[in-house]
Amino acid sequence: KNEVEQSPQNLTAQEGEFITINCSYSVGISALHWLQQHPGGGIVSLFMLSSGKKKHGRLIATINIQEKHSSLHITASHPRDSAVYICAVSPSYKYIFGTGTRLKVLA
Amino acid sequence: DSGVTQTPKHLITATGQRVTLRCSPRSGDLSVYWYQQSLDQGLQFLIQYYNGEERAKGNILERFSAQQFPDLHSELNLSSLELGDSALYFCASSVGPSSYEQYFGPGTRLTVT
Repeated sequence: KNEVEQSPQNLTAQEGEFITINCSYSVGISALHWLQQHPGGGIVSLFMLSSGKKKHGRLIATINIQEKHSSLHITASHPRDSAVYICAVSPSYKYIFGTGTRLKVLA
Repeated sequence: DSGVTQTPKHLITATGQRVTLRCSPRSGDLSVYWYQQSLDQGLQFLIQYYNGEERAKGNILERFSAQQFPDLHSELNLSSLELGDSALYFCASSVGPSSYEQYFGPGTRLTVT
């Protein structure tokens, strides 16, 4: 079993839908990161969380340390949100990545 | 634009060769991270440097080495290249040594033929 599991692996949504991507991990961590990788390959860091909840525009990330679970929510999804979303955890100074969730938002 | 630069953008080389990938962090960032992304393995953490010192090591092969120079730029050296080393290599930087937001460079696409 992988130390970081993401679900779903693939997701297709209609524009305007509310989207949730989940990340579960099995190791103790100091932080959890959500990354976005565009079709061209570039990676952008969306959030770094160690507790609670963070919000940037239409994106919300939550983490439950006790349950070792995080969720990334996208409200009012748009075709430009189409990308791969990757969860990464850092136990001490190392980083372990999930396999990513491929999101496609249709107009 | 993240402020992190990587050169070259693309590199094609033959098996057995050696290449050097270069990364310049954002101004003011002291940490540099190297990652490998291949089709079958996904993103993998290779190594981290903080202010010139190695901070953490991940799944970095012995044929690979890295260093961070006094001006904080970093180089990743890949030697005795194999077909399986073909991948995207990303560099990222952050202000501090851990648990800080990372800023990713555009990546270097390495193709080993």
